Amino acid sequence: DQQVKQNSPSLSVQEGRISILNCDYTNSMFDYFLWYKKYPAEGPTFLISISSIKDKNEDGRFTVFLNKSAKHLSLHIVPSQPGDSAVYFCAASPRVSQGNLIFGKGTKLSVKP
Amino acid sequence: NAGVTQTPKFRVLKTGQSMTLLCAQDMNHEYMYWYRQDPGMGLRLIHYSVGEGTTAKGEVPDGYNVSRLKKQNFLLGLESAAPSQTSVYFCASTKPGRETQYFGPGTRLLVL
Repeated sequence: DQQVKQNSPSLSVQEGRISILNCDYTNSMFDYFLWYKKYPAEGPTFLISISSIKDKNEDGRFTVFLNKSAKHLSLHIVPSQPGDSAVYFCAASPRVSQGNLIFGKGTKLSVKP
Repeated sequence: NAGVTQTPKFRVLKTGQSMTLLCAQDMNHEYMYWYRQDPGMGLRLIHYSVGEGTTAKGEVPDGYNVSRLKKQNFLLGLESAAPSQTSVYFCASTKPGRETQYFGPGTRLLVL
């Protein structure tokens, strides 16, 4: 059973508008959440993260929101740029782990000029 | 500072052949990981290591073996390749207490 779910395989937005990528999780032991960005033929690169003690973390155009009661997090990109077109993976880490991450299946974002 | 590197970048194997994928990191990270990525499946952990000489199974370990003889290297072996092992393989590393993992560029493997 998937512990980290990204229910939208793809998302298309216009340049300059907001992109919202969603992620749901089922395991209440997760206490740290990350977003990775992946371009074709490259490895995933870390984008932004949030600890379970926070409900928001912002880094430039990227903001991650965490709703623990709903077991839901989202990544907001404002404004979206064509260079943001990539696959975005949500990942979660349990409290007691050896750095292991559980990944969602990813959402492919296309930002159209 | 090259970060995480993977060798080879691409390989074609016939069913039953063996091969070893090499991952190297120059960040002095204790923890290293091997993932596979398949279409529509995200990244799934194969094996990981929390230090030199130690390895552990991840979510999908069957058909793979690993070794961590040196801190900077993590090897992934396929003893008898199967078409189901056609995938893109990523290596990653991090430090203890850090959730952020740093990934290599990947190895694309095709098993015919």
